[in-house]
Amino acid sequence: QSALTQPASVSGSPGQSITISCTGTSSDVGNYNYVSWYQHHPDTAPKLIIYEVSNRPSGVPDRFSGSKSGNTASLTISRLQAEDEADYYCSSYTSSSYVLFGGGTKLTVL
Amino acid sequence: QVQLQESGPGLVKPSETLSLTCTVSGGSISSFYWSWIRQPPGKGLEWIGYLYYSGTTNYNPSLKSRVTISRDTSKNQFSLRLNSMTAADTALYYCARDSGKYYFLGAFDIWGQGTMVTVSS
Repeated sequence: QSALTQPASVSGSPGQSITISCTGTSSDVGNYNYVSWYQHHPDTAPKLIIYEVSNRPSGVPDRFSGSKSGNTASLTISRLQAEDEADYYCSSYTSSSYVLFGGGTKLTVL
Repeated sequence: QVQLQESGPGLVKPSETLSLTCTVSGGSISSFYWSWIRQPPGKGLEWIGYLYYSGTTNYNPSLKSRVTISRDTSKNQFSLRLNSMTAADTALYYCARDSGKYYFLGAFDIWGQGTMVTVSS
């Protein structure tokens, strides 16, 4: 079971928008709306920012949004801020009843 | 609020068994799903498995033959045992709570700070 596919890195300038893709298969992303996204700053625990494809936990800014089309889920961060610089991971429930993570994407705010 | 704290040895010898404990404070483990997740140095996250408050468990197929997750409700703790450790098991190990109270969402909303485990002789 390979990890979900994410770009290794993305970058953007403050105020801009970026999108991180997360590609799976019909056995995970394509078949379930249980896709989550996490923000991970160094030396801290990952933080849940999106669950069930597009839902934001309380306290997460609406600059963060999620969507899904077919086997690919996406995280969009609007109005980029310096503190958004972090690693981002997607995850999905799978037909084999376990959770599969993506390989992670490093976001650089220029 | 609910907080999680991992504890256990930082160093394990090859072929030995890793035992880690996650202590839950501010809430009870008698609800929700509780997971272990790890991150090898420089790599991504890997879900190890979960324990439901009823005692039901589910494991990552790639680790299933070596993993056991159990609970001690009297201490409000759940534990991970991973046997036959190798260098490939060197990682930062996190415990986490799934946000779905009645069914598993695979969305981990509360995490411990993580504990680094190194496999070396």
